[in-house]
Amino acid sequence: DAGVTQSPTHLIKTRGQQVTLRCSPISGHKSVSWYQQVLGQGPQFIFQYYEKEERGRGNFPDRFSARQFPNYSSELNVNALLLGDSALYLCASSHWDGAPHGYTFGSGTRLTVV
Amino acid sequence: GQSLEQPSEVTAVEGAIVQINCTYQTSGFYGLSWYQQHDGGAPTFLSYNGLDGLEETGRFSSFLSRSDSYGYLLLQELQMKDSASYFCAVSPGTALIFGKGTTLSVSS
Repeated sequence: DAGVTQSPTHLIKTRGQQVTLRCSPISGHKSVSWYQQVLGQGPQFIFQYYEKEERGRGNFPDRFSARQFPNYSSELNVNALLLGDSALYLCASSHWDGAPHGYTFGSGTRLTVV
Repeated sequence: GQSLEQPSEVTAVEGAIVQINCTYQTSGFYGLSWYQQHDGGAPTFLSYNGLDGLEETGRFSSFLSRSDSYGYLLLQELQMKDSASYFCAVSPGTALIFGKGTTLSVSS
């Protein structure tokens, strides 16, 4: 079975641009969460979606938005990119909403803002 | 708010047993999880200890003291491939709140 897949794996953007990151969860998983990991730090929670509804949001500005599609895949959008947005963006999927465990992470998208 | 403290680095030799500690402060608590991450790749689940049970994988086990807001990960029969970053994470709700990570270096 395929794991959590994220695309693209790497990308470089210029300050002020917009970016869309994509995530496909494990088959049967209905919950998708997004995390940002800056070099040398632990992942930081951005969003959680379950059954296409936002279930949680971390302490990130409104430039960050996300959505989940009927097939449970998800997109993370970041507008007006800043240098500080450079990070590894991780997607995690799980079976159900609210479960504090059972997460499977993808390998992430490495975003560099120049 | 939430905060987690874990050592920044731990060193050990092959075949040894190593313990990585984690203390946490959180406004709500469902469980403490542990993840392994190699060179910025995908974090992989190692162990969960919480209100709804215990999960452990392979050579990895964990301990939790809710009264002391403390837990640790125990790695047995260390191998070179265990050299990686290890993160503890608490679940006050739907999200995982991660610590800054412990870099484990295993030498022969």
